[in-house]
Amino acid sequence: ETGVTQTPRHLVMGMTNKKSLKCEQHLGHNAMYWYKQSAKKPLELMFVYNFKEQTENNSVPSRFSPECPNSSHLFLHLHTLQPEDSALYLCASSQVRRQNEQFFGPGTRLTVL
Amino acid sequence: TQLLEQSPQFLSIQEGENLTVYCNSSSVFSSLQWYRQEPGEGPVLLVTVVTGGEVKKLKRLTFQFGDARKDSSLHITAAQTGDTGLYLCAGETSYGKLTFGQGTILTVHP
Repeated sequence: ETGVTQTPRHLVMGMTNKKSLKCEQHLGHNAMYWYKQSAKKPLELMFVYNFKEQTENNSVPSRFSPECPNSSHLFLHLHTLQPEDSALYLCASSQVRRQNEQFFGPGTRLTVL
Repeated sequence: TQLLEQSPQFLSIQEGENLTVYCNSSSVFSSLQWYRQEPGEGPVLLVTVVTGGEVKKLKRLTFQFGDARKDSSLHITAAQTGDTGLYLCAGETSYGKLTFGQGTILTVHP
């Protein structure tokens, strides 16, 4: 595997379900990010991890819970989501010193019923 | 909040035509990035511009950073169907974070 991978690529869940999104980067980077991409809206930064420590939580509701066990892996745990949380969730990575140049995964298309 | 406005939001052209996409802000950015995103994929970094007035060329794509580092443009010469996609600009703020524009959806018809 090369670059940034995300699984699953598509996810449909009910509002009472618990699911997790996984991201893995094979670039030797030490910063990882979660973004939310909704139609007709700019990419929204959700969380930032530098050297597996969370450095930013952009006022994200607690029904989204990130986890970064090491610099190569990032998870987003989901529970009791709302239909308006349906979106494309993108993971990205970069070097901590070059956070302006981020490499994105293909995203997980999430639908909340 | 430092906002980036992209225009136009939608662009539909014929193969062979030229086009320009604009990215404007009232804020100064340390650097500016352009990404292209194809359906079902994540954004792919095309270029980073850092210096005011800087011009970078990538084959048929020309990127320019405004003198005051508040705006940028992307010009494509002789568009091809493979150029179809969502073009995103992103500005690096003074505290090292990226703020994205809402994107320009480009469709190039054969």
